[in-house]
Amino acid sequence: DTAVSQTPKYLVTQMGNDKSIKCEQNLGHDTMYWYKQDSKKFLKIMFSYNNKELIINETVPNRFSPKSPDKAHLNLHINSLELGDSAVYFCASSQAGGYNEQFFGPGTRLTVL
Amino acid sequence: GESVGLHLPTLSVQEGDNSIINCAYSNSASDYFIWYKQESGKGPQFIIDIRSNMDKRQGQRVTVLLNKTVKHLSLQIAATQPGDSAVYFCAENIGGNQAGTALIFGKGTTLSVSS
Repeated sequence: DTAVSQTPKYLVTQMGNDKSIKCEQNLGHDTMYWYKQDSKKFLKIMFSYNNKELIINETVPNRFSPKSPDKAHLNLHINSLELGDSAVYFCASSQAGGYNEQFFGPGTRLTVL
Repeated sequence: GESVGLHLPTLSVQEGDNSIINCAYSNSASDYFIWYKQESGKGPQFIIDIRSNMDKRQGQRVTVLLNKTVKHLSLQIAATQPGDSAVYFCAENIGGNQAGTALIFGKGTTLSVSS
């Protein structure tokens, strides 16, 4: 009964490829997020969606395109992968409203060779 | 850039000791603060939160203190256990109660507990 799940957990790919990471939450939340954690463990917001609408796009290159087919899913598609994209990507969800706990998924470790 | 930071990147304690992890924030508009615990290979896990209209909040073995005058946040863990070993992050919300507001995370403190 995983609350926030991501697939795949590990992703190794070559520069220039296109890849997707999927995220699903079964908590009935309206809001979902993507965060990036770099090699120094620094966590930074990339996107947030509320009721399938984009709320935050935090100066992320347009090679990154989130897609929310429904409130329970927020997928991340990355075009033309670069070495600097290597990181751990976390999906999270919360009830609508900034004062609600954000529940994080287990992360996807992306390695670009 | 980041507006939340931690004073120490690492903290080593003995089992049974009390641990104190500190965090400084710079945005006066922040009104909601959260502590997260991240174990190796896992996502951040919520520990405790506090609104800016409070200066102290207690949970099970954890206490968060907020000093708005000096923009300082701390997490106290009582009777630290080996299972508490993890990276601890403070985070702030500067967007109020708007839907989709993101958290701004600090750099994290690695807590190591030896038995």
